[in-house]
Amino acid sequence: AQSVTQPDIHITVSEGASLELRCNYSYGATPYLFWYVQSPGQGLQLLLKYFSGDTLVQGIKGFEAEFKRSQSSFNLRKPSVHWSDAAEYFCAVGPPRNNNDMRFGAGTRLTVKP
Amino acid sequence: DAGVIQSPRHEVTEMGQEVTLRCKPISGHNSLFWYRQTMMRGLELLIYFNNNVPIDDSGMPEDRFSAKMPNASFSTLKIQPSEPRDSAVYFCASSPGDTPYEQYFGPGTRLTVT
Repeated sequence: AQSVTQPDIHITVSEGASLELRCNYSYGATPYLFWYVQSPGQGLQLLLKYFSGDTLVQGIKGFEAEFKRSQSSFNLRKPSVHWSDAAEYFCAVGPPRNNNDMRFGAGTRLTVKP
Repeated sequence: DAGVIQSPRHEVTEMGQEVTLRCKPISGHNSLFWYRQTMMRGLELLIYFNNNVPIDDSGMPEDRFSAKMPNASFSTLKIQPSEPRDSAVYFCASSPGDTPYEQYFGPGTRLTVT
């Protein structure tokens, strides 16, 4: 069965510092991979996705993620964090062409220090 | 575009009462999803509709939960009777047919059952 793990429940970074949020998945083949962001009181917003091709994908708000097949990872990065990036971040995995079986990680809460 | 609309945003009810949550998907989207988010279980898919037809309801926790989509612009999730353990944030999401994984989430309904 597919699953996704976000090892870090909570991360605190200083504004302007770089950020990396970890995501590991378990799946028999290469799944579709996603990162979502949830601001307090809001729904989830898609940051970026990987289906195939270039393993480094660019998303909105200056985020990027790199798919590493050998490590079964899809880590999210941002070179310089802004205070408005404070939110909950969810990694998700789904089988190709079957989006009713998407699994979400438990989420990583990001706090940004001034 | 108004995005996915959910109502009410907050609902407080007593155990045993019927609760109806409403969702209006983005116009033109042909897939609709209901999710539940709790601290203990994270984000769970409850049911998925495609072209107004329920495709997968295996995530519906009990017979007390039911969902309908009478037309392309409206869906309901009903809990009858409600129990305190149903307290959660319920999200509705929709996606266009040609990019099924582009799920757009509504702001959610925070349900509290006392």
